[in-house]
Amino acid sequence: GQSLEQPSEVTAVEGAIVQINCTYQTSGFYGLSWYQQHDGGAPTFLSYNALDGLEETGRFSSFLSRSDSYGYLLLQELQMKDSASYFCAGVTGANNLFFGTGTRLTVIP
Amino acid sequence: DTAVSQTPKYLVTQMGNDKSIKCEQNLGHDTMYWYKQDSKKFLKIMFSYNNKELIINETVPNRFSPKSPDKAHLNLHINSLELGDSAVYFCASSHQTGGAKYEQYFGPGTRLTVT
Repeated sequence: GQSLEQPSEVTAVEGAIVQINCTYQTSGFYGLSWYQQHDGGAPTFLSYNALDGLEETGRFSSFLSRSDSYGYLLLQELQMKDSASYFCAGVTGANNLFFGTGTRLTVIP
Repeated sequence: DTAVSQTPKYLVTQMGNDKSIKCEQNLGHDTMYWYKQDSKKFLKIMFSYNNKELIINETVPNRFSPKSPDKAHLNLHINSLELGDSAVYFCASSHQTGGAKYEQYFGPGTRLTVT
């Protein structure tokens, strides 16, 4: 089966840095994706890691360690609009996504 | 232009009824999906269609039947609706191989409420 665990909630201050962790147990694992979802909205793609290491996209970075079955999303220079739910998702064969439990990020002034 | 669209956005119906949700994508993708997001925001894949062929069915009750008339459309028909079917249903699409980033594009969702 597929299992991806994340902290349920994280709170951080505007302008700060926050890290959202994801530990996984999946079969047929290709890589780890991250999606953002605002309340009432649709999930939107943020990043994908196929290989171990750090991928950087603007203020967001994502990290993967296959040997540890672990990844994280790093958000820098937090803005109020970053308040949302963040999901890690394991990518398996045929581009199937198995989503994690989700982390609700609240950015406070 | 809307990339992935779904209709209706809201659907309120009674137990036992049959309903359909429509999905269309104009991205030229060849794989489409249906996801269910429950009240705790857990997102779970239900179906995946590639070039009109079903390639995954994650233990979904057979009351749910996807129909793909062509690769730009993937509709979801639900028979004999139950209270537990209340959720937000998302349609998504991607290239078959997912491209370099295995990115999926999601529709706006359909909030189904069964009373």
